[in-house]
Amino acid sequence: GDSVTQMEGPVTLSEEAFLTINCTYTATGYPSLFWYVQYPGEGLQLLLKATKADDKGSNKGFEATYRKETTSFHLEKGSVQVSDSAVYFCALIRHSGYALNFGKGTSLLVTP
Amino acid sequence: NAGVTQTPKFRILKIGQSMTLQCAQDMNHNYMYWYRQDPGMGLKLIYYSVGAGITDKGEVPNGYNVSRSTTEDFPLRLELAAPSQTSVYFCASRAAEGPLWEQYFGPGTRLTVT
Repeated sequence: GDSVTQMEGPVTLSEEAFLTINCTYTATGYPSLFWYVQYPGEGLQLLLKATKADDKGSNKGFEATYRKETTSFHLEKGSVQVSDSAVYFCALIRHSGYALNFGKGTSLLVTP
Repeated sequence: NAGVTQTPKFRILKIGQSMTLQCAQDMNHNYMYWYRQDPGMGLKLIYYSVGAGITDKGEVPNGYNVSRSTTEDFPLRLELAAPSQTSVYFCASRAAEGPLWEQYFGPGTRLTVT
């Protein structure tokens, strides 16, 4: 079945450091891929998406590129801020699917 | 516009007790979802609804019941709580005309069964 694997957290970075959170997937066909973010005390919200191979999703300085050849969708940000501290979830959905398939989430803590 | 609200935020149950997790949305969304997130795991779909009066099972429905009598509300019922139901429960909703990934999530209910 479909699955999403994320790197283990927590990830702790200093402000202005470079961020990478790895995400790889297993799915039949060509799924759409997503990153969701959950800030403390809030619900998940969509951060960015990519619906086909080689698409790059971007939002709020975060980027992720849909790599079909490596079945990956790694999240990157060039310079993190304290306000980026949150839990980040990678997810996928097949085009015929009815539900999102989430990874375990990666907790990010950015210190001043 | 409150979005998706969930109550309670936290709850501790004893084995065998029952409770209802409340979820409400004020965006007139047809689709509503219940997920659970076990410690160190991703979210799993429990039940979903495509409109008032219509519900269907997700990936992990055992031990739960749902009802959808109104567009706004989608309560999740645990009849005989078990330790395996210790989890964080998220409710979400989306518009019928929106893409599947455009779900709006509530802040979650943290449930412990001891």
